[in-house]
Amino acid sequence: QVQLVQSGAEVKKPGASVKVSCETSGYTFSNFYMHWVRQAPGQGLEWMGIINPSGGTTNSAQKIKGRVTMTRDTSTRTVYMELNSLTFEDTAVYYCARGGPVSSSLEYWGQGTLVTISS
Amino acid sequence: QSVLTQPPSVSGAPGQRVTISCTGSSSNIGAGYDVHWYQQLPGTAPKLLIYGNDNRPSGVPDRFSGSKSGTSASLAITGLQAEDEADYYCQSYDSSLSGHVFGTGTKVTVL
Repeated sequence: QVQLVQSGAEVKKPGASVKVSCETSGYTFSNFYMHWVRQAPGQGLEWMGIINPSGGTTNSAQKIKGRVTMTRDTSTRTVYMELNSLTFEDTAVYYCARGGPVSSSLEYWGQGTLVTISS
Repeated sequence: QSVLTQPPSVSGAPGQRVTISCTGSSSNIGAGYDVHWYQQLPGTAPKLLIYGNDNRPSGVPDRFSGSKSGTSASLAITGLQAEDEADYYCQSYDSSLSGHVFGTGTKVTVL
């Protein structure tokens, strides 16, 4: 079955960077786009970006463009999301989510990774 | 601030029908992009509920249905059950933003 397993919780200081991983299994890695979505405490869902695991091309939300880098390692079937210049507003649960039957839908989700920005 | 607007909350008694609207614009829903719906139970990751405007993934009860018209979409829940109490989000693509967008989210309360 499809599984997305994310790395563990992180605590970072303002100005630092964080890198979250999402290890996949149960499907052909290169056939499905991977999205990143975050949710601040008590807030709604915010789309962050997308990566094509086949060629590595990415697109990110305008709000965070320039601060986010999405990469993949096809040998380990893992995608990564790195966010730099962290501020308190980046405190959130970060999810990876695989594209679904319609490529723009998000069918399978990781368990989420809590990133806390604290001085 | 999201470009897809949903009511903050809706409520209904068990067995009733409730609907959640998702209002967009000519750069997203109105441009013909698909709308998808997600259910998020407290403390858990979202779950795909409806994809491609009106399609249910395997395992989703037929009590859930989606529709789309013009610049809006709707999610309907018939025969409301206690387990349906959750947050619901719509999602689409926006050509002006060149990215995907989520709705503001709606909390469904079963009275």
